[in-house]
Amino acid sequence: DAGITQSPRHKVTETGTPVTLRCHQTENHRYMYWYRQDPGHGLRLIHYSYGVKDTDKGEVSDGYSVSRSKTEDFLLTLESATSSQTSVYFCAISLSGTSADTQYFGPGTRLTVL
Amino acid sequence: QKEVEQDPGPLSVPEGAIVSLNCTYSNSAFQYFMWYRQYSRKGPELLMYTYSSGNKEDGRFTAQVDKSSKYISLFIRDSQPSDSATYLCARPHRSNYQLIWGAGTKLIIKP
Repeated sequence: DAGITQSPRHKVTETGTPVTLRCHQTENHRYMYWYRQDPGHGLRLIHYSYGVKDTDKGEVSDGYSVSRSKTEDFLLTLESATSSQTSVYFCAISLSGTSADTQYFGPGTRLTVL
Repeated sequence: QKEVEQDPGPLSVPEGAIVSLNCTYSNSAFQYFMWYRQYSRKGPELLMYTYSSGNKEDGRFTAQVDKSSKYISLFIRDSQPSDSATYLCARPHRSNYQLIWGAGTKLIIKP
């Protein structure tokens, strides 16, 4: 695996609580992504980052925020978790950021919101 | 209409069979597509690229694009139980910094 870790790997939380997921990379790649994966929907981009403190929204960004204060860390925060945010969350990285570039994925975080 | 569509399966075949996995797309403006493989409880990993013309072969895997029918295919020869996974196709987003993903087809190779 590329040097990408996600924490926690599993989390169960209650509706209305804030949740922060962490992605850490050791590859020094500039671009980082947060996806969610749900049955029947495939991977959907939540937010991405093209550098420290540079982020942009993906197609399903409502209810999520991100921060990147260091090249190696990209945090995803659910401000007030809802049951619809129950999903598997994947972090990915790429070197150049173009859509032709290979994306390397972390192992995923399985989040359940009760 | 989803921009990239795949039959979710599962597709179950015996070991050694030739497998055909398919993906349809709605926008023909893009020159290349990707296939990613995802094992259970793991992140996806790039399997191969395919460009909009011709076939691409890599070992037991062949990717093919049919522009006229907007169809992308992945063929696996001499399938092995280790090929059991979900196969995702993807194409570039118009912004060129994102990918549009299919929902994936789950493949099961029975020993």
